[in-house]
Amino acid sequence: KQEVTQIPAALSVPEGENLVLNCSFTDSAIYNLQWFRQDPGKGLTSLLLIQSSQREQTSGRLNASLDKSSGRSTLYIAASQPGDSATYLCAVLFSGNTPLVFGKGTRLSVIA
Amino acid sequence: NAGVMQNPRHLVRRRGQEARLRCSPMKGHSHVYWYRQLPEEGLKFMVYLQKENIIDESGMPKERFSAEFPKEGPSILRIQQVVRGDSAAYFCASSQEDKGEAFFGQGTRLTVV
Repeated sequence: KQEVTQIPAALSVPEGENLVLNCSFTDSAIYNLQWFRQDPGKGLTSLLLIQSSQREQTSGRLNASLDKSSGRSTLYIAASQPGDSATYLCAVLFSGNTPLVFGKGTRLSVIA
Repeated sequence: NAGVMQNPRHLVRRRGQEARLRCSPMKGHSHVYWYRQLPEEGLKFMVYLQKENIIDESGMPKERFSAEFPKEGPSILRIQQVVRGDSAAYFCASSQEDKGEAFFGQGTRLTVV
């Protein structure tokens, strides 16, 4: 079964700290992997998309890495700010005719 | 370029009524996906459509639920005879191509009373 797991489920850090969110997936045969942000009661905002041929993508203070062989991706957030507080979702598009499979997310709180 | 538009944002229905959720994909996108999110749960895939075609409905309950994406107009997710367990946030996403980057709407929060 193709599954996506995110650990930890929740994380609280002081403002200014660098942090890493983890995502693991059960099948290394993937097309791409996306990281999303979801604010309470809101929709999903796409943060980064990594194609299977890529190892990382960067956008501002965010850096996402992909290691297909180990079935892992990390989202690195530099110099965290209270405005980064949200739930971060990892979603994998596995090879074959399957839809995006989501993890349950990591709820991040950045304390001022 | 407006994003994925869903309406209504909030919908309240009594048990037994019908709920119709609408999704207009981003301009130029012909692939639409519907997901359901329950409290404290991840997003669960329901159905994948292209214009006038259902590509994958493996995540959609066999009864009471249907979806369409007509040649003209938005995609519609229809839930007949709603029950309390249908209360959830329903999200629509669109992509420009199969297996392309997915963009999500703000969701419709359905409450069945």
